[in-house]
Amino acid sequence: GAGVSQSPSNKVTEKGKDVELRCDPISGHTALYWYRQSLGQGLEFLIYFQGNSAPDKSGLPSDRFSAERTGGSVSTLTIQRTQQEDSAVYLCASSKPQYTDTQYFGPGTRLTVL
Amino acid sequence: GQQLNQSPQSMFIQEGEDVSMNCTSSSIFNTWLWYKQDPGEGPVLLIALYKAGELTSNGRLTAQFGITRKDSFLNISASIPSDVGIYFCAGQRLNTGNQFYFGTGTSLTVIP
Repeated sequence: GAGVSQSPSNKVTEKGKDVELRCDPISGHTALYWYRQSLGQGLEFLIYFQGNSAPDKSGLPSDRFSAERTGGSVSTLTIQRTQQEDSAVYLCASSKPQYTDTQYFGPGTRLTVL
Repeated sequence: GQQLNQSPQSMFIQEGEDVSMNCTSSSIFNTWLWYKQDPGEGPVLLIALYKAGELTSNGRLTAQFGITRKDSFLNISASIPSDVGIYFCAGQRLNTGNQFYFGTGTSLTVIP
């Protein structure tokens, strides 16, 4: 597709369960970002990938959060033992390496933890 | 993580009016960005600023990089109904790699 895609668009899970969120970046974009957006809040940076490596994991809120990227393309954000405070919209963005300020965002995954 | 102070939090204006919003930080930034987010969508980049004092326009939108490098402003002239949405500022500090800090957003409602 032409833009960043994310799946699922909505995810409802029970507290304590693990969830996986997927991001397909724009073809050729080597930089990939994950953000979390809580209701009425701005975007909170989680993690940044350049290719398959993550030079900046400083935003991950706890060790229950992890992310990987394979083949320099698809990325998966995993949240283990979900808590109610994990409920938010998780946004993925990608950019060309030399234009990291021009980030193209996906539509997000809305996660609800009951 | 650090968030920028963005104001106002929300605005209700009549179609045709001009709009101003701003973003401030206690830290110096070397890049300022302004995004618009429609419901159910990801943010879309409107304007990027790279130098203190820089004034950049994109159609009816004009943004400025504050001289102190700790603030930025976005103006929308002659608002129209499709301007409705949430506007976010974002900034990048020196020596923080590719991390961007986002403001808390300004929700704009345009009354026809």
